Amino acid sequence: GQQLNQSPQSMFIQEGEDVSMNCTSSSIFNTWLWYKQEPGEGPVLLIALYKAGELTSNGRLTAQFGITRKDSFLNISASIPSDVGIYFCAGHNAGGTSYGKLTFGQGTILTVHP
Amino acid sequence: DVKVTQSSRYLVKRTGEKVFLECVQDMDHENMFWYRQDPGLGLRLIYFSYDVKMKEKGDIPEGYSVSREKKERFSLILESASTNQTSMYLCASRWTGTDTQYFGPGTRLTVL
Repeated sequence: GQQLNQSPQSMFIQEGEDVSMNCTSSSIFNTWLWYKQEPGEGPVLLIALYKAGELTSNGRLTAQFGITRKDSFLNISASIPSDVGIYFCAGHNAGGTSYGKLTFGQGTILTVHP
Repeated sequence: DVKVTQSSRYLVKRTGEKVFLECVQDMDHENMFWYRQDPGLGLRLIYFSYDVKMKEKGDIPEGYSVSREKKERFSLILESASTNQTSMYLCASRWTGTDTQYFGPGTRLTVL
């Protein structure tokens, strides 16, 4: 199946620092999604991107849909301790018999030191 | 609020046992999914169901089967559990035509 490479695998940062992570794919996606998983919980959708070049913000989070449609980026500004968790990118190709199947990246584990 | 519940948060089983993992959603979603989550591998799709009694294999279906007799319930079955099936199992659901999948809290399964 399709592969998504997400990096970095983990990050240890100080509170107040900015964070960047990205995902690259061997094939094109129509939609890019970013999820966050907090300890003991299932992933929750943070941001959805639908158009190549699109830049979307959700509070301190900003995500971009790459021009080539093969990559996406997530930035978190001024990190706080509650940003701790695992961040996943996911790609989706709508239509046909996809039935909403998502391809997930390996995840970025974020640790924020107060 | 959308709610996806999973029958157990933690489960310990022995090799060779038949294991049932249950997932229930309360939002009348047509599509439901089972994933396993392993460190460094992200979420991998085991099976999904696009409607009652309908199912499709995902990327890693070997050793698993599923059942969807009612719209709100999607069961994952390990016919004969093996140690390499020790993992976190996540269920998700969504409305047809939308991108957002809503996830349950997960079941951490240990097979001894």
